[in-house]
Amino acid sequence: TQLLEQSPQFLSIQEGENLTVYCNSSSVFSSLQWYRQEPGEGPVLLVTVVTGGEVKKLKRLTFQFGDARKDSSLHITAAQPGDTGLYLCAGLIGGYNKLIFGAGTRLAVHP
Amino acid sequence: DTGVSQNPRHKITKRGQNVTFRCDPISEHNRLYWYRQTLGQGPEFLTYFQNEAQLEKSRLLSDRFSAERPKGSFSTLEIQRTEQGDSAMYLCASSLEWSGGVRTGELFFGEGSRLTVL
Repeated sequence: TQLLEQSPQFLSIQEGENLTVYCNSSSVFSSLQWYRQEPGEGPVLLVTVVTGGEVKKLKRLTFQFGDARKDSSLHITAAQPGDTGLYLCAGLIGGYNKLIFGAGTRLAVHP
Repeated sequence: DTGVSQNPRHKITKRGQNVTFRCDPISEHNRLYWYRQTLGQGPEFLTYFQNEAQLEKSRLLSDRFSAERPKGSFSTLEIQRTEQGDSAMYLCASSLEWSGGVRTGELFFGEGSRLTVL
């Protein structure tokens, strides 16, 4: 059973479209991160959110942490082929010392 | 380059052989993690060290797996008597326990060591 559920699993879109991916859990997280991973490489940290309701923007990417700190979303505006990759959310449960990862959303942006 | 370094990047071995992976973390990071990732899945936690002490091991880490971090610097992950089910990407990551006064758990990953067991 995945502690963190990500949806959709796969997303194939055209360049210029907008998209949102979701990360949901029944657990409360003290912090939550989004990573992007390319084939054959390790995940690269995009953002960390720690406060319920927090919104962070990174160029065309907008990250939101749910008010109850159980869920998060990643919105990409005007997607580009360079955004192609596996997007992973990962949460830190208070009192624990390790990140729990979701299975990821695999995004393909076609020119 | 001051990032996390892993080697070898790729290892192909026959079932029953032993393999060892090495990880050199970011020098000022006191925590070092090992994760395993199979196709279509997110990384799964295996174990972590704070300095030289191994503080937690996952149930995924059978007795064929052993990890060390002598002197609290680099780490090795050894798999004895490899099985085909061990085929995966083994990821090492390092972190600071506290960052800006907050325990965020942010991880900085290496490029991974891909193991194929024939």
